[in-house]
Amino acid sequence: DMKVTQMPRYLIKRMGENVLLECGQDMSHETMYWYRQDPGLGLQLIYISYDVDSNSEGDIPKGYRVSRKKREHFSLILDSAKTNQTSVYFCASSTGTGAYEQYFGPGTRLTVL
Amino acid sequence: GDSVTQTEGQVALSEEDFLTIHCNYSASGYPALFWYVQYPGEGPQFLFRASRDKEKGSSRGFEATYDKGTTSFHLRKASVQESDSAVYYCALGEFAGTYQRFGTGTKLQVVP
Repeated sequence: DMKVTQMPRYLIKRMGENVLLECGQDMSHETMYWYRQDPGLGLQLIYISYDVDSNSEGDIPKGYRVSRKKREHFSLILDSAKTNQTSVYFCASSTGTGAYEQYFGPGTRLTVL
Repeated sequence: GDSVTQTEGQVALSEEDFLTIHCNYSASGYPALFWYVQYPGEGPQFLFRASRDKEKGSSRGFEATYDKGTTSFHLRKASVQESDSAVYYCALGEFAGTYQRFGTGTKLQVVP
């Protein structure tokens, strides 16, 4: 069963705390992504990972970092979270880049107070 | 750089109405074009893709035709249902590119 999972689904943190969002996929996809979704802005790419330890910045990487030590697992880390990082975060995976369809997880709703 | 424009932020229809959601793109190369659908509380789902001029993509009664001349990939459905209420995203991705560009999304609300 092709699936992208995200943990946790909901998270409330205080400004300045560290945040770890986790994503897993069972399709052995090489490429994984982290997006944030805000009203009126659609999906904004934060980071892309082409495989283990092969990560690149997307359009809005500032304030975020990622880790991919296993092909099936991709983490998003916020060091010292800020209130403007309150958003819904989606992880996705695909067999390749660019012209390949992406499979999305259910999202994590992060609130930073 | 490559970009996708969805002109309608929201669309409100009644059941059995005809749907058109407009998508225009700008790309330096020859991209693949996508539609994704996002139901409330879920992540986006791939709907369908078209890879070349005049190719029609379709799924679940939705369809769109790749038109290189007008740089468009408009989403259409002949008769919408309340269950089609969702946000629809148009996207493009270059075959030799790194990642897809998404439009800002169109929220479709269908009332019975």
